[in-house]
Amino acid sequence: RKEVEQDPGPFNVPEGATVAFNCTYSNSASQSFFWYRQDCRKEPKLLMSVYSSGNEDGRFTAQLNRASQYISLLIRDSKLSDSATYLCVVNRDTGRRALTFGSGTRLQVQP
Amino acid sequence: DAGVIQSPRHEVTEMGQEVTLRCKPISGHNSLFWYRQTMMRGLELLIYFNNNVPIDDSGMPEDRFSAKMPNASFSTLKIQPSEPRDSAVYFCASSFDWGNTGELFFGEGSRLTVL
Repeated sequence: RKEVEQDPGPFNVPEGATVAFNCTYSNSASQSFFWYRQDCRKEPKLLMSVYSSGNEDGRFTAQLNRASQYISLLIRDSKLSDSATYLCVVNRDTGRRALTFGSGTRLQVQP
Repeated sequence: DAGVIQSPRHEVTEMGQEVTLRCKPISGHNSLFWYRQTMMRGLELLIYFNNNVPIDDSGMPEDRFSAKMPNASFSTLKIQPSEPRDSAVYFCASSFDWGNTGELFFGEGSRLTVL
């Protein structure tokens, strides 16, 4: 089983739609969580951190469910520019520590 | 400000050849990471350094791969001999406080094709 699992998609949604992605992680000791965004043939970039109480950044809302070991990202009022791959990232915090990336969920927003 | 700089951006080589990828991290960052990305396996951590010291190299596929960080401003990832299954995009990333912020700054990647 992969440490971080995501539905690869693609999610094809019209402009203005609300779309949600989930991500599950296997290591219950994971301490911190993030969402990255990767545009086609570009490098990944941090989108937002995920806090236990949930957090918003404009049209983006991230939530964490430790009991079920999943993280979600909600995008409201989708824009064409939101088209990208969204990577779920987990800090394993195993002592030597490293960020583990999911394979990503591809979003295509259509006009 | 200059970001993470990687070279070469693209490399096509033949099986059995040596490949060297280079990375210059952002000045002041104390952690450096090498990741590999393929369609099948996604983004995989190969190795990371903290203050120029390798901390976790458990992701290095096998002895054909080696990485060095001789100083705070330069790192190399070497593959010798290269094989077709090494074809991937290799990203270098650096960070100052990634343990708290989760923010890695990635270079544009080196796209490697081994024929």
